[in-house]
Parts: sequence; C-alpha cells; structure tokens
Amino acid sequence: QQQVKQSPQSLIVQKGGISIINCAYENTAFDYFPWYQQFPGKGPALLIAIRPDVSEKKEGRFTISFNKSAKQFSLHIMDSQPGDSATYFCAAGQGGSEKLVFGKGTKLTVNP
Amino acid sequence: GAVVSQHPSRVICKSGTSVKIECRSLDFQATTMFWYRQFPKQSLMLMATSNEGSKATYEQGVEKDKFLINHASLTLSTLTVTSAHPEDSSFYICSAGRDTNYGYTFGSGTRLTVV
Repeated sequence: QQQVKQSPQSLIVQKGGISIINCAYENTAFDYFPWYQQFPGKGPALLIAIRPDVSEKKEGRFTISFNKSAKQFSLHIMDSQPGDSATYFCAAGQGGSEKLVFGKGTKLTVNP
Repeated sequence: GAVVSQHPSRVICKSGTSVKIECRSLDFQATTMFWYRQFPKQSLMLMATSNEGSKATYEQGVEKDKFLINHASLTLSTLTVTSAHPEDSSFYICSAGRDTNYGYTFGSGTRLTVV
C-alpha cells in the first residue's frame, strides 16, 4: 500500500514534443505528490509538487495533472528540450512533505 | 533558500574502515533530515529519519549499528557507515526541509566506493 508505481521506465521524445510520465498510488492518506528531476551523479531536485485539493498545477513547461478518484498523477513536459534529458521520479508523502515514497524513475531522453 | 549541502561528494575507502557523511542545512534549521540510498539506475530507498536531539528512526531492514546517524544540531546530521564492505558501495543522499509548505530539498549526494 506504500508503493508508488511509475511508468514508463524509459521515454524517448523528439525536441519540441510532449513528455508524459505517469504514477499511481494506493494509500489514500498520501497528501503530497512531488516530482523530482535527477541528473547523473547529482541529488534529486524538486521540480513541481501538488496537493490533492487541486487537479492541475502548472509551472512553466511543467504541468502536474492529478486524479484523486483514480489515485493517479502525471507529469507533462511541454516543448521538451535536450536539457530535460534526465531521470524523473514521482513521489508521495503523508502529513505534509515528510517521509517520501518514490516511484522507480523514468529515464527521459530528448533527441535534438 | 532551502539549501542542503552534503559532504564529501565522493569517497573511496578500504573494507573494514568507517566513513562519515555530513548533511548540512545552510540557510534554515531542520529538525528532521532523511537519509536515502540509491543503487545505480534505481530509485531512492529511505534508510532512516534523523531527528535533532533524539535517536534516528530506521526503516525496516536497515542495520542501525552499521549506519550510525547523529543529528546533534538543527543544521547538521551525519551518517557514519561503520566497518564498510563492498556491498555498502552506493550513492547516499540526504534531504531536509524547512517546513511542510516548502517541501524537502536534497543534498547533492555522496558516492561511496568500498574497495
């Protein structure tokens, strides 16, 4: 029940395209859903986060869509750029943003 | 704001020795810090929750005597890998947060190689 399932495992997108990564969770007590971007050899960096009281949050080219009834949330990267090539992790937290459960990650490659 | 510094970024040690990794919150006080472990091309696995002034809370399966955590101040938590073995080689990452509204920031990670 503590798992967060993330798909796809890897994704290849052309420059300018839309990258979509999906996550699903089981624990309805989760109330914080962040997305992290990680480059090789570096720690994860918070990209964008959402709480269950909204269905969508947009920051620049990054959008989180949240479906509470389906217990799913997704990250959309518009106008994908080669610099977006990284591994993306979704996560879920309870009681704010404390202990996080991470998805297995998606390696995104944006071809020029 | 919310800068977390982790040191060292890389360390190589011999089997049987101990290694200390530091995690500092530079511009805020953190009563709670988290330590994660990440194997190559895998997700982050929470090892323990570090609480300032009290004992750390370890996740199931994590040896508390092997991975010693000390959170002696509101800006510093340390992870000591004792009697390191090659299987302890991994990427160790800490995270800390100002409060729940800001979310938690990760350090840049420490690549530990035990030879």
